[in-house]
Amino acid sequence: GQQLNQSPQSMFIQEGEDVSMNCTSSSIFNTWLWYKQDPGEGPVLLIALYKAGELTSNGRLTAQFGITRKDSFLNISASIPSDVGIYFCAGRTIQGAQKLVFGQGTRLTINP
Amino acid sequence: GAGVSQSPSNKVTEKGKDVELRCDPISGHTALYWYRQSLGQGLEFLIYFQGNSAPDKSGLPSDRFSAERTGGSVSTLTIQRTQQEDSAVYLCASSLASGGAVADTQYFGPGTRLTVL
Repeated sequence: GQQLNQSPQSMFIQEGEDVSMNCTSSSIFNTWLWYKQDPGEGPVLLIALYKAGELTSNGRLTAQFGITRKDSFLNISASIPSDVGIYFCAGRTIQGAQKLVFGQGTRLTINP
Repeated sequence: GAGVSQSPSNKVTEKGKDVELRCDPISGHTALYWYRQSLGQGLEFLIYFQGNSAPDKSGLPSDRFSAERTGGSVSTLTIQRTQQEDSAVYLCASSLASGGAVADTQYFGPGTRLTVL
């Protein structure tokens, strides 16, 4: 099925460093979402983006909806240990407004 | 609890057996979704309910998979004659409304980990 291309697949960083990850698609999306998933849990919504060019922050997290509507990025500033987990981008195409299409995830590991 | 709940949390079954997975959405949420997450992968859409009807079943991988929702609340995902490739985490989500707006935010349950031996 349709999937988003998310990169990087994994990141190993030092506490305090900034993190950046992104997603691209060959299709136009009208909504971009970023989720975080902890082990044994379902994904939790971090940031939602609804307009091309939109830049939204949630604490140390910042995400943008690309102008072309085919990409989005998520930045985490000054990482802390609780940021460890798997981050997923997700989106809705115009045609499939209800279902979400997910990226493959970025696994973030923080070295103390 | 106020969140989406799923049961069982873990299910181990033998190849060829049928399994039922249950989802209790957040009270008042009209839309309910089932996704499948294979090891190390993103989530794959299976089916979506608006009330008790399923306008989009496009993600169900085969006719061995079916789902129903009763009373606009609880949903059951049934997998018949399970195969080893069915092993995955099955996640349920619910939202207040559907249509792509803010009210359509999907809240996920913890999932059911299915292992088919």
